[in-house]
Formats: sequence, structure tokens, C-alpha cells
Amino acid sequence: SQQGEEDPQALSIQEGENATMNCSYKTSINNLQWYRQNSGRGLVHLILIRSNEREKHSGRLRVTLDTSKKSSSLLITASRAADTASYFCATDASQGAQKLVFGQGTRLTINP
Amino acid sequence: GAVVSQHPSRVICKSGTSVKIECRSLDFQATTMFWYRQFPKQSLMLMATSNEGSKATYEQGVEKDKFLINHASLTLSTLTVTSAHPEDSSFYICSARATGLSAFFGQGTRLTVV
Repeated sequence: SQQGEEDPQALSIQEGENATMNCSYKTSINNLQWYRQNSGRGLVHLILIRSNEREKHSGRLRVTLDTSKKSSSLLITASRAADTASYFCATDASQGAQKLVFGQGTRLTINP
Repeated sequence: GAVVSQHPSRVICKSGTSVKIECRSLDFQATTMFWYRQFPKQSLMLMATSNEGSKATYEQGVEKDKFLINHASLTLSTLTVTSAHPEDSSFYICSARATGLSAFFGQGTRLTVV
């Protein structure tokens, strides 16, 4: 099955800085979602962007989607220590059936 | 948001035994549930899709006789790892969705086979 590629694989920044993570995928999609996972825990849904949308905001999160390049980015502004986690993009190519294919993830570390 | 409960959160079993993991949707009826496996520091890999009242659809490379999935009701799906071996040690996560809604994830089950 297709897997998304995420970069960077790991990112370490200072608290207060912005963090940007990128995701690329291979097939046409219905929507793309971003999730956060704290170590050894389940997934927390952050944001969903549909294939006909280009940008979406939620609090300190900003997601963009470029379907022509098959890529998405997640920007976390004014990062906090609590943002330390792994972040995954997931694509739904199943016409909304939520059969998600996950990217490899970015491990984000926010240093106080 | 909707709540999906997964149980147990951790389990240790002996090699050769079977382990059952439950995934429940607490406040909605889940027409479809998904089971994922995640090895340390890796991404989630979809194992199978289960629809209530029908047989699960397994992804390529996933042994259906080893990973038994039952979706007997609209609020419960179970994954049974049969004759578990150390290489089956992993983090198993379910997600559940109702028609027209997003999927919600359980908290995961860490399986350790010794």
C-alpha cells in the first residue's frame, strides 16, 4: 500500500519557535488528516483538510494542501513544550471511507 | 468528540497463547472499524477493515488466520492474536467510524509476547 513520506523525520526546536512538517503522498485523495501521538499512546486527531481545500487553520495549527504536488504541510506556531510528540499525516483515498494510509511521521521535540 | 475505548491497554502473554483485544465505540454506532499495528518508532500500518456483520478485509501480507477479527455488533470489534510469538509484539490501535463521520482512534494496546 502507498505510504506517505514525511520530512523531516525528526525536528528539535526551542519553545516559542514555529515548527513546520511536510508530507507527500502518491495517489489521489479524498482528504488528508494530521494526527499527534504522544509516546506509547493513541492518536489525537488535529485537523482534516479536504482535497478541494488549500489551507485550514485551527488555533496554532495551519495546514496547507497542494494536490498538484501531492503534498501537505503542518505549521505549529509559538510552539510549547507540550507540543513534543510524533506527528503523522494520513491520507484517505477511499472516497471518504476513512481507510487511512499513514506517513512515516515526524518526531517533534520542543526544548524549554 | 466521539469516544473509542480499547482494552486492554497493555498485555503480556506467553509465546503460543492467544490474546484478545477489544475495541468499543462508546457513544456512537460504528459501521466500520479498522485495526492498525505500529512497531516502535514506525508508522501505523493498516491490518484490516471490519464491517459489522461481515467478514473482515485484510491488507496484503496480513494473515487472517493469525489475526482473527470479529465485528459482531455496531459497538464492538475484537482482534485476537492467535498463537502469539515475540515478533507479534507491537502496539495495536483500532479506529471506528459511523457512516458519514470521521474515524476516531482508541488508545492502543501494547502487546508483549515473551
